[in-house]
Amino acid sequence: GDSVTQMEGPVTLSEEAFLTINCTYTATGYPSLFWYVQYPGEGLQLLLKATKADDKGSNKGFEATYRKETTSFHLEKGSVQVSDSAVYFCAQGASGSARQLTFGSGTQLTVLP
Amino acid sequence: DAGVIQSPRHEVTEMGQEVTLRCKPISGHNSLFWYRQTMMRGLELLIYFNNNVPIDDSGMPEDRFSAKMPNASFSTLKIQPSEPRDSAVYFCASSLMRGSNVLTFGAGSRLTVL
Repeated sequence: GDSVTQMEGPVTLSEEAFLTINCTYTATGYPSLFWYVQYPGEGLQLLLKATKADDKGSNKGFEATYRKETTSFHLEKGSVQVSDSAVYFCAQGASGSARQLTFGSGTQLTVLP
Repeated sequence: DAGVIQSPRHEVTEMGQEVTLRCKPISGHNSLFWYRQTMMRGLELLIYFNNNVPIDDSGMPEDRFSAKMPNASFSTLKIQPSEPRDSAVYFCASSLMRGSNVLTFGAGSRLTVL
């Protein structure tokens, strides 16, 4: 079945460091891909998305490119801030007519000042 | 729009008691999802509805769990009887059926079963 594998955490970085969180997916067809972010005590929020191969999603300095050849959707940010500390989830949309998302296990990011 | 609204935000109950969690989706959204989040198992899809009809409940852990969506603006997730292993954060999310499947999540209901 469809699944999403993302980099194990936790990840601790200093402010202004470069961030990469790896994500790979298994699915038939061409699923939509997402990154969601969860701040402490809150629900998940959509960070960015890509709906087809080679699309690049971007938001708040974060980017991820839909790579069909490597079935990957790695999240990157050139310079992280303390306020980026959160849990990041990679997700894929179900193929076909189903609308649910399959989530990765989440990666805890802590940015130190 | 106020977003997806869940209640209660926190619930502490004793084993064996009935628990009802509530969700109001975003107006106009016609798909609704219930997820459970735990440290051990991450985010698990329990059930989802399209146009108020349950489509896939294969994620519901057992018969103690039930979900209803009597109309487009309200859904409940009920656990009866509750057990300590049900302790988790339960999220409701909604989306439009058409287009890319972007989900909007509520803030969650944190359940503790003693």
